[in-house]
Amino acid sequence: QQQVKQSPQSLIVQKGGIPIINCAYENTAFDYFPWYQQFPGKGPALLIAIRPDVSEKKEGRFTISFNKSAKQFSLHIMDSQPGDSATYFCAAAERFQETSGSRLTFGEGTQLTVNP
Amino acid sequence: DAGVIQSPRHEVTEMGQEVTLRCKPISGHNSLFWYRQTMMRGLELLIYFNNNVPIDDSGMPEDRFSAKMPNASFSTLKIQPSEPRDSAVYFCASSLVTGESEKLFFGSGTQLSVL
Repeated sequence: QQQVKQSPQSLIVQKGGIPIINCAYENTAFDYFPWYQQFPGKGPALLIAIRPDVSEKKEGRFTISFNKSAKQFSLHIMDSQPGDSATYFCAAAERFQETSGSRLTFGEGTQLTVNP
Repeated sequence: DAGVIQSPRHEVTEMGQEVTLRCKPISGHNSLFWYRQTMMRGLELLIYFNNNVPIDDSGMPEDRFSAKMPNASFSTLKIQPSEPRDSAVYFCASSLVTGESEKLFFGSGTQLSVL
């Protein structure tokens, strides 16, 4: 059961373009929505994250837009650079009942290519 | 800090053999996760430890898979016997759960190939 749906599967933009990656979820117990960036041969690394009490969060060139009523969130990369070429995963977290930790459910991933 | 350290980086084995993957979490982190990544299924959570105790192992695919965390600085994921469909990249991740903090740090993974 895929609880977090991510699109598109792949995306190619020119340098300076604004790639947008979208995610949708169903589980209303999710309370934390991070984006991870993964380069070949490396593990995913946290890029930016948002909680459902805000509609937008910006860190540098990366912005998350969050629509709680639609259960959708998206990542925008401003002024994209070739070095941004990587696979991007959205995720959604729900807390374990037994501890204060959370279970992350990942989207399928988007392979982004930024051409020079 | 060296980050989450996994070994080996690559493992090639034959079907039926036992495979042991190792993980050293970031010092001071109290949560440890094992994930599996494949093209078909993406990133799947296999098991979650908190303070060395397994909290959720519902993602462990079969009894052939087992995981241990004997202390705060070491965890293993064992597959016995291994099968070709176990071929994947296995990631270990750790985090320090403090109130609102949810940041997960991943290791570089172990690329497992079962022939």
